[in-house]
Amino acid sequence: AQSVTQLGSHVSVSEGALVLLRCNYSSSVPPYLFWYVQYPNQGLQLLLKYTTGATLVKGINGFEAEFKKSETSFHLTKPSAHMSDAAEYFCAVSYNDMRFGAGTRLTVKP
Amino acid sequence: NAGVTQTPKFRVLKTGQSMTLLCAQDMNHEYMYWYRQDPGMGLRLIHYSVGEGTTAKGEVPDGYNVSRLKKQNFLLGLESAAPSQTSVYFCASSLPGGGLNHEQYFGPGTRLTVT
Repeated sequence: AQSVTQLGSHVSVSEGALVLLRCNYSSSVPPYLFWYVQYPNQGLQLLLKYTTGATLVKGINGFEAEFKKSETSFHLTKPSAHMSDAAEYFCAVSYNDMRFGAGTRLTVKP
Repeated sequence: NAGVTQTPKFRVLKTGQSMTLLCAQDMNHEYMYWYRQDPGMGLRLIHYSVGEGTTAKGEVPDGYNVSRLKKQNFLLGLESAAPSQTSVYFCASSLPGGGLNHEQYFGPGTRLTVT
């Protein structure tokens, strides 16, 4: 069975600073990996996904994530945070079913 | 396209009451899902459906029932609500063909409080 661990339930950065949200997965087979974003009072929307191929995946709004098999990680980054990036971010792993991490709430300070 | 819609958006129930949450999608997706979201626990799969007339249990199915009589609709029922079912419920849909591996499209959620 697969599972996801997101390190840090809450991350706070200043506007313009690097955003790093950590995700580690456990899977006995090659996984499909996703990052979703949830803005207040909304459903989840896809930021990016890794299925096969290039390990550096670019998503919407300037986010990207790198699949590192040796570290079983899929961390999400953005070089420069904007106020509009404040939201909750979920990492998910999928093979036979989709498992979500507990989420990381990102706060961006002016 | 409206995508995935959910009704109602908010509901307050008393313990023991019943209700049905409706999910509709207009993307012709085969697969549909019901999740619940609780603080610090992410999303947990309640039930899912891989096609009209077919449903299956997810991670936390107890206390819920579902039906998929039409491809575009997926209903979640609570027969006798309990305070532990206070949560935000999300419906999602996805493409077929290994759809559990594919991107899921989410509705806006239903906030349910059971007193």
